[in-house]
Amino acid sequence: EDQVTQSPEALRLQEGESSSLNCSYTVSGLRGLFWYRQDPGKGPEFLFTLYSAGEEKEKERLKATLTKKESFLHITAPKPEDSATYLCAVQAVGGGADGLTFGKGTHLIIQP
Amino acid sequence: DAGITQSPRHKVTETGTPVTLRCHQTENHRYMYWYRQDPGHGLRLIHYSYGVKDTDKGEVSDGYSVSRSKTEDFLLTLESATSSQTSVYFCAISDYTEETQYFGPGTRLLVL
Repeated sequence: EDQVTQSPEALRLQEGESSSLNCSYTVSGLRGLFWYRQDPGKGPEFLFTLYSAGEEKEKERLKATLTKKESFLHITAPKPEDSATYLCAVQAVGGGADGLTFGKGTHLIIQP
Repeated sequence: DAGITQSPRHKVTETGTPVTLRCHQTENHRYMYWYRQDPGHGLRLIHYSYGVKDTDKGEVSDGYSVSRSKTEDFLLTLESATSSQTSVYFCAISDYTEETQYFGPGTRLLVL
């Protein structure tokens, strides 16, 4: 069974204080690992897709990295508008249009 | 934002009544998904569709049925709503099974 564990569950940072969110996964074969951002009352907003160990992707203050067992979302010099819940999900190799297996998310608060 | 709308956005209903949620896309994507999101759980797949009239079950499909008579519409039906189906329901779409899934704004359902 595919599993995704995100840590920490919640994180409070000061504006400008860099940190990392962790996503550990267990999957029979990884087709892709996805990061989403979710604001209260809204649907998940796509950030990144990573397909193979060693891959990295960046967008503004966010950088996602991938190893064979986990992914990190690095947040550099965050701003209050980066406050949100960050979701990690995996898709396993296999037949059919299987959905994503999600972690429970990390609730990030950036204080001014 | 991907062209995905969900209706209704909010609904309150009573136990035992049938409920239908609609997902509409303007992207002409082949794959459509229904997820539910509950506190303490990650997003969980209910059903998905890989083409018109082609659907399959996800992780938490009991008590739900789906239909897709047109590419753009994917309906989720609760045949007889129960309080355990109180949740936020999200629709997602993707063009290929291994590609990113884009999410709609969600429907908040309360079953009394």
